[in-house]
Amino acid sequence: DVVMTQSPLSLPVTLGQPASISCRSSQGLVHSDGNTYLNWFQQRPGQSPRRLIHRVSNRDSGVPDRFSGSGSGADFALKISRVEAEDIGVYYCMQGTHWPHTFGQGTKLEIK
Amino acid sequence: QLQLQESGPGLVKPSETLSLTCTVSGGSIRSSTYYWAWIRQSPGKGLEVIGSMYYSGSTYYNPSLRNRVSISADTSRNQFSLKLSSVTAADTAIYYCGTYSDYLKWYGPWGQGILVTVSS
Repeated sequence: DVVMTQSPLSLPVTLGQPASISCRSSQGLVHSDGNTYLNWFQQRPGQSPRRLIHRVSNRDSGVPDRFSGSGSGADFALKISRVEAEDIGVYYCMQGTHWPHTFGQGTKLEIK
Repeated sequence: QLQLQESGPGLVKPSETLSLTCTVSGGSIRSSTYYWAWIRQSPGKGLEVIGSMYYSGSTYYNPSLRNRVSISADTSRNQFSLKLSSVTAADTAIYYCGTYSDYLKWYGPWGQGILVTVSS
């Protein structure tokens, strides 16, 4: 299985400041169709995961533009330009290129 | 708006079969837009895709669970179900049902989840 490794696992941030999460895969994520299926999810406390970004950098409907995704190959990042209180929770990367699809272990974003 | 809700027993004995149902509202389980998926979350393994099924009946299971898992649909009730046999404590988790888009290759929306504990 493809192993997804996130860092850091805990990310204390000050409101209004930027935050960045890294995600690395044990194999390249370019699919045979040419797309890279690296996705990001947000899980707020007590809630189920919510879609954020698909195919590296495409925000889902309703996701604020302070969230952005980048990367290629096996090295990806999620950035929040200015953290707001509602952003607190755990963020997961997930690869949909290779079966079985796999998730990273999660990065907990908390207020400093 | 598509909504999903898991239901089933919260406690299952070791070696028995875990059975959960997902009720879909706001859309038809016969839709060709989505696959219908199960994912679980545990402190030990994190988020793990169990598998999914398409309206045609095709199923896709995580190889780590393939010998124990079955996903099926009841179109008359707009529901789909998960059965996981020979459970152990390692199967204790929050189980989510959700949709899977094969076009974007990601999951969501998800149900609220149901905690299933395996214990005697």
